Amino acid sequence: ILNVEQSPQSLHVQEGDSTNFTCSFPSSNFYALHWYRWETAKSPEALFVMTLNGDEKKKGRISATLNTKEGYSYLYIKGSQPEDSATYLCAFFYNTDKLIFGTGTRLQVFP
Amino acid sequence: GAGVSQTPSNKVTEKGKYVELRCDPISGHTALYWYRQSLGQGPEFLIYFQGTGAADDSGLPNDRFFAVRPEGSVSTLKIQRTERGDSAVYLCASSVHGGAYTGELFFGEGSRLTVL
Repeated sequence: ILNVEQSPQSLHVQEGDSTNFTCSFPSSNFYALHWYRWETAKSPEALFVMTLNGDEKKKGRISATLNTKEGYSYLYIKGSQPEDSATYLCAFFYNTDKLIFGTGTRLQVFP
Repeated sequence: GAGVSQTPSNKVTEKGKYVELRCDPISGHTALYWYRQSLGQGPEFLIYFQGTGAADDSGLPNDRFFAVRPEGSVSTLKIQRTERGDSAVYLCASSVHGGAYTGELFFGEGSRLTVL
């Protein structure tokens, strides 16, 4: 059974704090790693699609790194804002068909 | 439309009834995915279409679940003899291409199914 694990499960931070989450995935048969943000009552939106070991991607205050050899990815949020409150999902593409999602990290940013 | 559209947004049904959930993907997207999300879990893969054909249906939990995409665009997820355990949010997503090097998935807002 392929497992994509995310930690922590939930996180509460104050506005302005920086934070990071971890996504762990099988290191064999790697094709791609996706990060999505899912706000309440909305649809999940892609943040990053990462394919190469050592990849680093950035979008505004959010960045991600990828280590395919050891099977992990980190998502960083610098200076968290209340609008960053959402569930952050990572998903592992391990063959040509399936994108396997983790259970997500629920982030709550308090003003 | 501009995005992935799913209908209905909410469906309440009784145990044993038949349910259809519809997904209208972004025009031109050849790949279409169905996921199911239960409380406290991440989205669980159900089925992946490439064009009209189901390239991978290994995530369908049992033979009560079936999905079609007859013209390579709109897809319908069909659930027969619904059970309380089928209650979940059913998400549909599409992407320009399928396969290992697919780009991001574009999701609909989901259909929330409640089986009483």
